[in-house]
Amino acid sequence: AQSVTQLGSHVSVSEGALVLLRCNYSSSVPPYLFWYVQYPNQGLQLLLKYTSAATLVKGINGFEAEFKKSETSFHLTKPSAHMSDAAEYFCAVSSMDTGRRALTFGSGTRLQVQP
Amino acid sequence: DVKVTQSSRYLVKRTGEKVFLECVQDMDHENMFWYRQDPGLGLRLIYFSYDVKMKEKGDIPEGYSVSREKKERFSLILESASTNQTSMYLCASSLPLSGEKLFFGSGTQLSVL
Repeated sequence: AQSVTQLGSHVSVSEGALVLLRCNYSSSVPPYLFWYVQYPNQGLQLLLKYTSAATLVKGINGFEAEFKKSETSFHLTKPSAHMSDAAEYFCAVSSMDTGRRALTFGSGTRLQVQP
Repeated sequence: DVKVTQSSRYLVKRTGEKVFLECVQDMDHENMFWYRQDPGLGLRLIYFSYDVKMKEKGDIPEGYSVSREKKERFSLILESASTNQTSMYLCASSLPLSGEKLFFGSGTQLSVL
């Protein structure tokens, strides 16, 4: 079984401040991990994904995430928030076996960026 | 770029109606998925399909069925709509291997009155 927990349903930061969105996962086999972003009235788009090649993963729009096996975490960060980063962010996990091809998503974190 | 198209952006239906949500992808993807998105619950998997005429239940299949007669099209069916099926429905597709990213449609907001 696999699951994802996102800590904090709402996060508010000032423009230019560090963004940190937390994600912890549970998986009985080595996981693939993803961060998706959803802008208002749009579908989800991929920010970045971890597939075991490197523990620090860089994505689009200046975001990155670090896979920490010992902490079962995959937190999303960005050094300096921009107003355009305001959106909802979803962490997701799938397993490296082929038993479950679908992603399991967390409950989402809505990021607000204050001017 | 992959395009996943959902036929309606907004739908309003009455309790007990049969509802069809259509999804078409243009990149020859084997896998297709239906999720529903509710505030505070994230995305929950309803059904997925990894080939034509093949389907598997997700985490919340009750009250739903699906149809995949052609590779590019995956339909979600609410046999008898109920108010608790009011939600945002998201369709997605992907290549067949584990770890492949999902491409999402822009969603259908269904209201059941």
